[in-house]
Amino acid sequence: GAVVSQHPSRVICKSGTSVKIECRSLDFQATTMFWYRQFPKKSLMLMATSNEGSKATYEQGVEKDKFLINHASLTLSTLTVTSAHPEDSSFYICSARGPSGTDTQYFGPGTRLTVL
Amino acid sequence: KNEVEQSPQNLTAQEGEFITINCSYSVGISALHWLQQHPGGGIVSLFMLSSGKKKHGRLIATINIQEKHSSLHITASHPRDSAVYICAVYADKLIFGTGTRLQVFP
Repeated sequence: GAVVSQHPSRVICKSGTSVKIECRSLDFQATTMFWYRQFPKKSLMLMATSNEGSKATYEQGVEKDKFLINHASLTLSTLTVTSAHPEDSSFYICSARGPSGTDTQYFGPGTRLTVL
Repeated sequence: KNEVEQSPQNLTAQEGEFITINCSYSVGISALHWLQQHPGGGIVSLFMLSSGKKKHGRLIATINIQEKHSSLHITASHPRDSAVYICAVYADKLIFGTGTRLQVFP
């Protein structure tokens, strides 16, 4: 089955630094990837939709200058949390839409970010 | 009111019990997903369905489009089934339920 990886799986950083999270589709090409955020015991919240070769579409309330998304290839999307702040601490999950014509999404294992 | 409601929120069961988790939604959808999230956080897609019923091993998922309702059943539950089960509907984007936390005790 389709596999999506994320790196790193967990990261701890100091306030004010930037952190990059990578999301890769390992065995298929993903023209569309999604970035989600999940607070403890809460549901996933869509942050942005990332389309290969074009600008990401951000959900209302998500700061595009703070959460930079780049989808430079058909197998890689990156999320950079800029000038991280403790309230950015969360679990970030990416997913990739399957081959064209399907609504199936394949989820990455997630990245736990802790900002000190 | 959430667009996707799940019940129950928490569920405990003895090993071997038959388990049902329900999902109701209020929007028009093209597909519904059942996802499993283990304590480590990773999410696995169990089913995607748009009508009828699907079965995979001990898991069965059904959907009634007219009633906007889906159920996930686990037969002969096992402690390794302990996880959070999330219903998500696809309506130009995925909308997630808040999840059902299942604990199966030996």
